[in-house]
Amino acid sequence: GNSVTQMEGPVTLSEEAFLTINCTYTATGYPSLFWYVQYPGEGLQLLLKATKADDKGSNKGFEATYRKETTSFHLEKGSVQVSDSAVYFCALSVAGRRALTFGSGTRLQVQP
Amino acid sequence: EAGVTQFPSHSVIEKGQTVTLRCDPISGHDNLYWYRRVMGKEIKFLLHFVKESKQDESGMPNNRFLAERTGGTYSTLKVQPAELEDSGVYFCASSRHTGELFFGEGSRLTVL
Repeated sequence: GNSVTQMEGPVTLSEEAFLTINCTYTATGYPSLFWYVQYPGEGLQLLLKATKADDKGSNKGFEATYRKETTSFHLEKGSVQVSDSAVYFCALSVAGRRALTFGSGTRLQVQP
Repeated sequence: EAGVTQFPSHSVIEKGQTVTLRCDPISGHDNLYWYRRVMGKEIKFLLHFVKESKQDESGMPNNRFLAERTGGTYSTLKVQPAELEDSGVYFCASSRHTGELFFGEGSRLTVL
């Protein structure tokens, strides 16, 4: 079956620190990979995605590279801001099935 | 353009009672999805509508859950009778045919 494993939180960082949130996956077939973010009081929003190996998704200073050899899609940001405090979800979908498979989410808290 | 809206935002009920959650998708989005997150774990797929038809209901946990989308517009998810393990956050999402999923803020259900 399909599954996504991401690092447990919470992750607490100071402003301008470097962020990595690890995500690994198992999938039947060739998945597309996503990072979603949920800010306090809001719904999930698509942050970035990658659809094939070695693709790099990027948005708002966040990046993640689709690594097929290590089945990983780690989220990184060079300098976090307080406004990045949120819960981050790694997810995948496989061709022929529209449903997303999510990880358990990682809460990020950025302190000023 | 209005986003995906869900109602109620929070519902507290006794075990054995009935609760109905509602989702209004973005206008023109034929695809509608229900997901839930239990106890801070991963977000799990429940089902997928295309217009008024159930395309995939493989994630529905048992027959206490009933989802409808009469007329292909808004959808309801009824839990009857509710059990303690049904507590969690129920997310709705909608999309165009092959596009990005847009999520609502979620309906938090607490079963006492």
